[in-house]
Amino acid sequence: DADVTQTPRNRITKTGKRIMLECSQTKGHDRMYWYRQDPGLGLRLIYYSFDVKDINKGEISDGYSVSRQAQAKFSLSLESAIPNQTALYFCATSDVGPGLAGISTDTQYFGPGTRLTVL
Amino acid sequence: QKEVEQDPGPLSVPEGAIVSLNCTYSNSAFQYFMWYRQYSRKGPELLMYTYSSGNKEDGRFTAQVDKSSKYISLFIRDSQPSDSATYLCASPNSWGKLQFGAGTQVVVTP
Repeated sequence: DADVTQTPRNRITKTGKRIMLECSQTKGHDRMYWYRQDPGLGLRLIYYSFDVKDINKGEISDGYSVSRQAQAKFSLSLESAIPNQTALYFCATSDVGPGLAGISTDTQYFGPGTRLTVL
Repeated sequence: QKEVEQDPGPLSVPEGAIVSLNCTYSNSAFQYFMWYRQYSRKGPELLMYTYSSGNKEDGRFTAQVDKSSKYISLFIRDSQPSDSATYLCASPNSWGKLQFGAGTQVVVTP
Protein backbone atom coordinates (compact mmCIF):
# COMPACT_ATOMS: atom_id res chain seq x y z
CA ASP A 1 0.00 0.00 0.00
CA ALA A 2 1.11 3.54 -0.74
CA ASP A 3 2.54 5.50 2.19
CA VAL A 4 0.78 8.74 1.23
CA THR A 5 -2.67 8.49 -0.33
CA GLN A 6 -4.94 11.17 -1.73
CA THR A 7 -8.64 11.09 -2.50
CA PRO A 8 -10.14 11.72 -4.93
CA ARG A 9 -7.57 11.26 -7.70
CA ASN A 10 -9.64 13.26 -10.16
CA ARG A 11 -12.47 15.73 -9.63
CA ILE A 12 -14.47 17.96 -11.92
CA THR A 13 -16.64 20.57 -10.26
CA LYS A 14 -18.40 23.82 -10.97
CA THR A 15 -17.62 27.36 -9.91
CA GLY A 16 -18.89 28.12 -6.42
CA LYS A 17 -18.95 24.54 -5.16
CA ARG A 18 -17.22 23.49 -1.95
CA ILE A 19 -14.58 20.84 -2.47
CA MET A 20 -12.56 18.78 0.00
CA LEU A 21 -9.38 16.93 -0.88
CA GLU A 22 -8.16 14.36 1.60
CA CYS A 23 -4.71 13.06 2.43
CA SER A 24 -3.72 10.14 4.61
CA GLN A 25 -0.28 8.83 5.47
CA THR A 26 1.11 5.74 7.12
CA LYS A 27 4.68 7.01 7.41
CA GLY A 28 4.23 8.25 10.98
CA HIS A 29 5.45 11.74 10.07
CA ASP A 30 4.34 14.77 12.02
CA ARG A 31 4.83 17.25 9.18
CA MET A 32 2.32 17.48 6.34
CA TYR A 33 1.95 19.85 3.41
CA TRP A 34 -0.43 20.80 0.60
CA TYR A 35 0.95 22.02 -2.73
CA ARG A 36 -0.52 22.90 -6.06
CA GLN A 37 1.31 22.36 -9.32
CA ASP A 38 0.69 24.43 -12.44
CA PRO A 39 2.53 24.21 -15.77
CA GLY A 40 5.49 26.59 -15.81
CA LEU A 41 5.07 27.50 -12.14
CA GLY A 42 6.16 24.33 -10.43
CA LEU A 43 5.04 23.40 -6.95
CA ARG A 44 3.67 26.13 -4.69
CA LEU A 45 2.96 25.66 -1.00
CA ILE A 46 -0.62 26.25 0.10
CA TYR A 47 -0.62 25.21 3.78
CA TYR A 48 1.56 23.16 6.07
CA SER A 49 1.27 21.59 9.50
CA PHE A 50 4.10 20.50 11.77
CA ASP A 51 1.82 18.67 14.19
CA VAL A 52 -1.87 18.19 14.92
CA LYS A 53 -2.24 21.54 16.66
CA ASP A 54 -0.13 23.49 14.19
CA ILE A 55 -1.46 25.03 10.96
CA ASN A 56 0.45 27.55 8.86
CA LYS A 57 -0.24 29.42 5.64
CA GLY A 58 2.02 28.92 2.69
CA GLU A 59 2.65 31.29 -0.19
CA ILE A 60 -0.79 30.90 -1.84
CA SER A 61 -3.36 30.18 0.90
CA ASP A 62 -6.10 32.59 -0.24
CA GLY A 63 -9.26 30.67 -1.18
CA TYR A 64 -8.15 27.53 0.67
CA SER A 65 -8.49 26.16 4.18
CA VAL A 66 -7.15 23.03 5.87
CA SER A 67 -7.93 20.70 8.73
CA ARG A 68 -5.49 18.40 10.52
CA GLN A 69 -7.81 15.79 11.95
CA ALA A 70 -5.07 13.49 13.23
CA GLN A 71 -1.36 12.93 12.78
CA ALA A 72 -2.14 10.83 9.72
CA LYS A 73 -4.82 13.00 8.08
CA PHE A 74 -4.66 16.45 6.51
CA SER A 75 -7.53 17.81 4.41
CA LEU A 76 -7.61 20.74 2.01
CA SER A 77 -10.87 22.58 1.32
CA LEU A 78 -11.84 25.01 -1.38
CA GLU A 79 -14.79 26.89 0.13
CA SER A 80 -16.05 28.28 -3.16
CA ALA A 81 -14.12 26.89 -6.09
CA ILE A 82 -13.13 29.16 -8.98
CA PRO A 83 -11.67 28.24 -12.39
CA ASN A 84 -8.14 29.47 -11.60
CA GLN A 85 -7.98 26.82 -8.88
CA THR A 86 -7.84 24.22 -11.63
CA ALA A 87 -4.54 22.47 -10.97
CA LEU A 88 -2.81 19.33 -9.76
CA TYR A 89 -2.80 19.16 -5.96
CA PHE A 90 -0.24 17.23 -3.95
CA CYS A 91 -0.08 16.28 -0.32
CA ALA A 92 3.35 15.61 1.18
CA THR A 93 4.79 14.49 4.48
CA SER A 94 8.27 14.84 5.85
CA ASP A 95 10.50 13.51 8.52
CA VAL A 96 12.85 15.87 10.26
CA GLY A 97 16.27 15.95 8.67
CA PRO A 98 19.48 16.49 10.63
CA GLY A 99 19.51 20.14 9.71
CA LEU A 100 22.38 22.16 8.35
CA ALA A 101 23.34 25.34 10.19
CA GLY A 102 19.70 25.94 11.04
CA ILE A 103 18.45 25.07 7.55
CA SER A 104 15.80 22.37 7.26
CA THR A 105 16.95 19.26 5.38
CA ASP A 106 13.63 17.45 5.56
CA THR A 107 12.93 14.95 2.80
CA GLN A 108 9.37 15.30 1.57
CA TYR A 109 7.31 12.33 0.42
CA PHE A 110 4.50 13.11 -1.98
CA GLY A 111 1.16 11.51 -2.62
CA PRO A 112 0.00 10.63 -6.16
CA GLY A 113 -1.87 13.89 -6.62
CA THR A 114 -5.44 15.03 -7.24
CA ARG A 115 -6.30 16.55 -10.59
CA LEU A 116 -8.97 19.19 -9.95
CA THR A 117 -10.89 20.92 -12.73
CA VAL A 118 -13.20 23.83 -11.91
CA LEU A 119 -15.60 24.72 -14.71
CA GLN B 1 10.87 36.52 -9.25
CA LYS B 2 11.06 32.87 -8.23
CA GLU B 3 13.98 31.96 -6.00
CA VAL B 4 14.72 28.90 -8.13
CA GLU B 5 14.51 29.10 -11.92
CA GLN B 6 14.47 26.12 -14.26
CA ASP B 7 13.92 25.73 -18.00
CA PRO B 8 10.69 23.70 -18.45
CA GLY B 9 11.90 21.98 -21.63
CA PRO B 10 10.94 19.51 -23.00
CA LEU B 11 14.40 18.11 -23.43
CA SER B 12 14.52 15.21 -25.88
CA VAL B 13 17.58 12.96 -26.10
CA PRO B 14 18.34 9.59 -27.71
CA GLU B 15 18.85 6.58 -25.48
CA GLY B 16 22.43 6.37 -24.20
CA ALA B 17 23.06 10.11 -24.36
CA ILE B 18 23.99 12.29 -21.39
CA VAL B 19 21.14 14.39 -20.04
CA SER B 20 22.16 17.75 -18.60
CA LEU B 21 19.67 19.66 -16.45
CA ASN B 22 20.25 23.06 -14.89
CA CYS B 23 18.76 25.43 -12.35
CA THR B 24 19.73 28.83 -11.10
CA TYR B 25 18.91 30.25 -7.71
CA SER B 26 18.90 33.79 -6.42
CA ASN B 27 19.27 33.38 -2.65
CA SER B 28 22.93 33.14 -1.67
CA ALA B 29 21.87 31.67 1.70
CA PHE B 30 20.79 28.42 0.05
CA GLN B 31 23.10 25.61 1.18
CA TYR B 32 21.22 22.40 0.53
CA PHE B 33 19.97 21.32 -2.85
CA MET B 34 17.67 18.56 -3.96
CA TRP B 35 16.58 16.97 -7.19
CA TYR B 36 13.14 15.38 -7.37
CA ARG B 37 11.93 13.16 -10.19
CA GLN B 38 8.26 13.10 -11.18
CA TYR B 39 6.84 10.48 -13.49
CA SER B 40 3.63 11.22 -15.36
CA ARG B 41 0.55 11.00 -13.11
CA LYS B 42 2.72 10.50 -10.02
CA GLY B 43 3.97 12.67 -7.19
CA PRO B 44 7.59 13.86 -7.07
CA GLU B 45 10.13 11.62 -5.35
CA LEU B 46 13.54 12.59 -4.01
CA LEU B 47 16.29 11.54 -6.39
CA MET B 48 19.39 13.15 -4.89
CA TYR B 49 20.52 15.83 -2.52
CA THR B 50 23.78 17.66 -2.06
CA TYR B 51 25.29 20.24 0.21
CA SER B 52 27.23 23.34 -0.70
CA SER B 53 29.55 23.11 -3.67
CA GLY B 54 30.98 20.22 -5.57
CA ASN B 55 29.76 17.00 -7.12
CA LYS B 56 27.85 14.05 -5.78
CA GLU B 57 27.47 10.81 -7.69
CA ASP B 58 24.85 8.11 -7.32
CA GLY B 59 25.04 5.48 -10.01
CA ARG B 60 24.27 7.13 -13.35
CA PHE B 61 23.31 10.40 -11.69
CA THR B 62 25.61 13.27 -10.76
CA ALA B 63 24.48 16.40 -8.91
CA GLN B 64 26.69 19.45 -9.14
CA VAL B 65 26.56 22.77 -7.31
CA ASP B 66 28.45 25.94 -8.19
CA LYS B 67 27.73 28.41 -5.39
CA SER B 68 29.81 31.16 -6.93
CA SER B 69 27.46 31.36 -9.90
CA LYS B 70 24.36 30.06 -8.04
CA TYR B 71 24.01 27.23 -10.49
CA ILE B 72 22.94 23.62 -9.83
CA SER B 73 23.06 20.79 -12.34
CA LEU B 74 21.98 17.19 -12.69
CA PHE B 75 23.63 14.87 -15.18
CA ILE B 76 22.24 11.51 -16.21
CA ARG B 77 24.71 9.22 -17.95
CA ASP B 78 23.71 6.43 -20.31
CA SER B 79 20.12 7.67 -20.32
CA GLN B 80 17.32 5.13 -20.58
CA PRO B 81 13.68 5.47 -21.69
CA SER B 82 12.77 4.84 -18.04
CA ASP B 83 14.50 8.15 -17.20
CA SER B 84 11.73 9.98 -19.08
CA ALA B 85 10.15 12.17 -16.41
CA THR B 86 10.04 15.71 -15.11
CA TYR B 87 12.98 16.69 -12.94
CA LEU B 88 12.56 19.41 -10.31
CA CYS B 89 15.33 21.16 -8.44
CA ALA B 90 14.61 22.50 -4.97
CA SER B 91 16.24 24.18 -2.01
CA PRO B 92 14.92 25.04 1.46
CA ASN B 93 14.91 28.74 2.23
CA SER B 94 15.81 30.20 5.59
CA TRP B 95 12.29 29.49 6.86
CA GLY B 96 12.69 25.82 5.97
CA LYS B 97 10.23 25.92 3.10
CA LEU B 98 11.22 24.14 -0.07
CA GLN B 99 11.53 26.42 -3.08
CA PHE B 100 10.96 24.38 -6.25
CA GLY B 101 11.95 25.11 -9.81
CA ALA B 102 9.23 24.73 -12.43
CA GLY B 103 10.60 21.34 -13.50
CA THR B 104 12.20 20.19 -16.77
CA GLN B 105 10.46 17.49 -18.80
CA VAL B 106 12.93 14.93 -20.17
CA VAL B 107 12.08 12.51 -22.95
CA VAL B 108 14.55 9.72 -23.74
CA THR B 109 13.76 8.13 -27.07
CA PRO B 110 14.74 4.48 -27.82
